[in-house]
Amino acid sequence: DIVMTQSPDSLTVSLGERATIHCKSSQSLLYRSNNRNLLAWYQQRPGQPPKLLIFSASTRGFGVPDRFSGSGSGTDFTLTINNLQPEDVASYYCQQYYNDLPTFGGGTKVEIK
Amino acid sequence: EEQVVESGGGLVQPGGSLRLSCVASGFTVNSKYMNWVRQPPGKGLEWVAVLFSGGSTYYADSVKGRFTITRDKSKNTVFLQMDSLRPEDTALYFCARQDGPFDLWGQGTMVSVSS
Repeated sequence: DIVMTQSPDSLTVSLGERATIHCKSSQSLLYRSNNRNLLAWYQQRPGQPPKLLIFSASTRGFGVPDRFSGSGSGTDFTLTINNLQPEDVASYYCQQYYNDLPTFGGGTKVEIK
Repeated sequence: EEQVVESGGGLVQPGGSLRLSCVASGFTVNSKYMNWVRQPPGKGLEWVAVLFSGGSTYYADSVKGRFTITRDKSKNTVFLQMDSLRPEDTALYFCARQDGPFDLWGQGTMVSVSS
């Protein structure tokens, strides 16, 4: 199985500042046939199901504000939230969908300072 | 509008069984990969099982041999049959459509395993 390791476990950021979350996979997620990294980020607000934020490591999902951005390739990935807003208080999860057994990172809880 | 709605959760004793349902609307379940993902109270997400459009299935090691994912095309519904339930299976169970990433999630149904 591909192991996904997220850091930090939690993050406290002031309104309007930047939050940065890291995700590392135990093997490369670069799919050679289409040159895409099969890595997604999800946002889960309290009491809500997860919502797809980013796929292919850096493509924003439908309706996702441009203050959310994803970067990285191979085994190291980053989710950046610029200009943090109150509605961004949530847990964030990375996920690999490179193989038939998708796996999630342990999650990062983002709170407002 | 595309959506999935889960049902069938509840309280069950260890060793018991439960069948969860995921009713889809706005798309057909046999045209997409359909997954179950669970979340224990206060913890992170754990992928449980997938049913490919072609009919193949895969399971997490933690549930292999105890859980079975199936679908009924006539009802446009995906099921998760859970047998030999353990306290550690206690979680909110989500149904999720997969189109590369998991692009559509339900609200979840809660399963509690306790005596």
